[in-house]
Amino acid sequence: AQSVTQLGSHVSVSEGALVLLRCNYSSSVPPYLFWYVQYPNQGLQLLLKYTTGATLVKGINGFEAEFKKSETSFHLTKPSAHMSDAAEYFCAVSDRNWGKLQFGAGTQVVVTP
Amino acid sequence: GAVVSQHPSRVICKSGTSVKIECRSLDFQATTMFWYRQFPKQSLMLMATSNEGSKATYEQGVEKDKFLINHASLTLSTLTVTSAHPEDSSFYICSAKTAGGTDTQYFGPGTRLTVL
Repeated sequence: AQSVTQLGSHVSVSEGALVLLRCNYSSSVPPYLFWYVQYPNQGLQLLLKYTTGATLVKGINGFEAEFKKSETSFHLTKPSAHMSDAAEYFCAVSDRNWGKLQFGAGTQVVVTP
Repeated sequence: GAVVSQHPSRVICKSGTSVKIECRSLDFQATTMFWYRQFPKQSLMLMATSNEGSKATYEQGVEKDKFLINHASLTLSTLTVTSAHPEDSSFYICSAKTAGGTDTQYFGPGTRLTVL
C-alpha cells in the first residue's frame, strides 16, 4: 500500500521568498512521484515528476523537487515566489504497475505582496 | 499536447435525475482513464479506472451501479451519475494516460455537479 503525507495544509509566503512544500511517501517498491498544481475550479496541471534517473527534477514555472530515497521525501521548492503561484499543490505517488495515483491532502499556498 | 477536456464544466440537476459527464483526450489515445471526485478543500479521491473496451474497476466503497462508466473509444470515457442526490454534489475530474510510457496522467478541467 502507498500513502502520501503533505506537511502543512496552508503555507503563506512573501512574494520573492522561497517556496518549500513538503511531501513524504510510503511505498513498498520504488514509486513514481508527482507534483500537481490546481487553480480554483480547475483540473490539475503537472508541475514535475520523478520516475528514474536524476533525483533532482526540474519542472515548469521554476519549480523543482528532489527525490530522497533515504528520507522517503519529494519536497517541492521554488527560489522566488510569484503572485501567480497562489494555488493548491498536490503531491502524488503511483505504483509502477497500475499507474493509480495516490494523492496527498494538498497544500494551499498563499503569496503575500 | 496531452489535452483532456470535460463536458459539461458545470451542471445543476434535480434530485433523482441522471447526469452524464464526458471526458475526452483531444490529441492522444488514452488506453486508460481515471475518474476522481473532489469535495471542497479536500484532495482527489479515485473512484474508478477504466480501460478502453473493458469494464471499469471501481475503488472500494464506490457504487458501480450508481456511477456508470463507459470507455467506448480510445478518446472518450463517460461517467453517468444515476439517480443523483444532493450528497453526490461534488467536483468530478477525469484523467487520461497512454499505454506504458511515463505513467503521467493528464487531467481534465473538472465538472462541478450540483444536485438540488
